[in-house]
Amino acid sequence: GAGVSQSPRYKVAKRGQDVALRCDPISGHVSLFWYQQALGQGPEFLTYFQNEAQLDKSGLPSDRFFAERPEGSVSTLKIQRTQQEDSAVYLCASSLAVPAYEQYFGPGTRLTVT
Amino acid sequence: EDQVTQSPEALRLQEGESSSLNCSYTVSGLRGLFWYRQDPGKGPEFLFTLYSAGEEKEKERLKATLTKKESFLHITAPKPEDSATYLCAVQESKGNKLVFGAGTILRVKS
Repeated sequence: GAGVSQSPRYKVAKRGQDVALRCDPISGHVSLFWYQQALGQGPEFLTYFQNEAQLDKSGLPSDRFFAERPEGSVSTLKIQRTQQEDSAVYLCASSLAVPAYEQYFGPGTRLTVT
Repeated sequence: EDQVTQSPEALRLQEGESSSLNCSYTVSGLRGLFWYRQDPGKGPEFLFTLYSAGEEKEKERLKATLTKKESFLHITAPKPEDSATYLCAVQESKGNKLVFGAGTILRVKS
């Protein structure tokens, strides 16, 4: 079946621009996660949704980062006033149940801030 | 704070040369330890979940084992297509997020 999809796959933004990254989880998956992966590092947790409720946003690095999942399916990660340090791959993952055991990842969006 | 350390950072093997990757962790109550494979330009691909010390799981040439402080990913007679970055992650019993190590880059030459 269809896996997790993300769009766009690549995004180049000028410093100060706002960006929106989209995640389509596996159909029926309750849990949705956003992670940030810097080059040569493992993914780092940003935020977690259970259905439409954002239960954990402890990993968001600043108030410029905002995530939503209004209908409990598609999610959007928005970064306002992008900075060079925001350049990274943003990964979305979904899991069928709670607790979220196996998490299935999308291909990621590579964000480059110039 | 949960911590995951993977070693070695990089490993080069000849085809057929078996070896092991290490993942040591500290966590306040382990719900699960996860192994993922990541190819360049792609998202992590789920391999295994281990829940308790002494547990083992196998898939093709890979076998994962778990103790109270570390996990090993054993690769038997690797092939070039096993080349990838292998990521280890832990999930604590009172949360849902994964805490990842930095990964081990594996290169298998024919």
